[in-house]
Amino acid sequence: DVKVTQSSRYLVKRTGEKVFLECVQDMDHENMFWYRQDPGLGLRLIYFSYDVKMKEKGDIPEGYSVSREKKERFSLILESASTNQTSMYLCASPGQGGTEAFFGQGTRLTVV
Amino acid sequence: AQKVTQAQTEISVVEKEDVTLDCVYETRDTTYYLFWYKQPPSGELVFLIRRNSFDEQNEISGRYSWNFQKSTSSFNFTITASQVVDSAVYFCALAPGSARQLTFGSGTQLTVLP
Repeated sequence: DVKVTQSSRYLVKRTGEKVFLECVQDMDHENMFWYRQDPGLGLRLIYFSYDVKMKEKGDIPEGYSVSREKKERFSLILESASTNQTSMYLCASPGQGGTEAFFGQGTRLTVV
Repeated sequence: AQKVTQAQTEISVVEKEDVTLDCVYETRDTTYYLFWYKQPPSGELVFLIRRNSFDEQNEISGRYSWNFQKSTSSFNFTITASQVVDSAVYFCALAPGSARQLTFGSGTQLTVLP
């Protein structure tokens, strides 16, 4: 019954490292999103993709990039991790016609 | 641009009390969708309800009810006879008709005390 899977539950990286967060969905959805969640700030949209190789910036794209080479996989890339990118990262995939978005279990990233 | 405001950061109630969580949204779209999600301490986001902009009918599901009013751009959520298991962070969210965006409010932390 797994719908959205994130590759890691917990991750610890060093400042300056390149970090890849992977997300896979098995629902054949076109739309996929990456959010970060911080206390008191809710979920903030980093990037979203509405088709293979298509991407658009969300509200806080600085310091991040994304890759969507296949429909089922949407990767979030931290080019040079910094301590202020320590956060919970959530991947989501909504269906068409405004149906509910399914979320992955989240990746708690700590940058030291 | 879309915006969702959940003005209540934290709410505490005693078990069996009713509680209403407020959600106000802004959008220029005529077709849009509104959602409520629950995030229990375990962390996963649980979908509760979806409403489209053409359906202002209120909905009741067990102890949960939702009041959608386009005139005030609000989509409020009421829990009747709250229980300790209702303790969680609740998020209101908004998507345009294209579903190519999903904007969340900052969430309301609900604590139900025994």
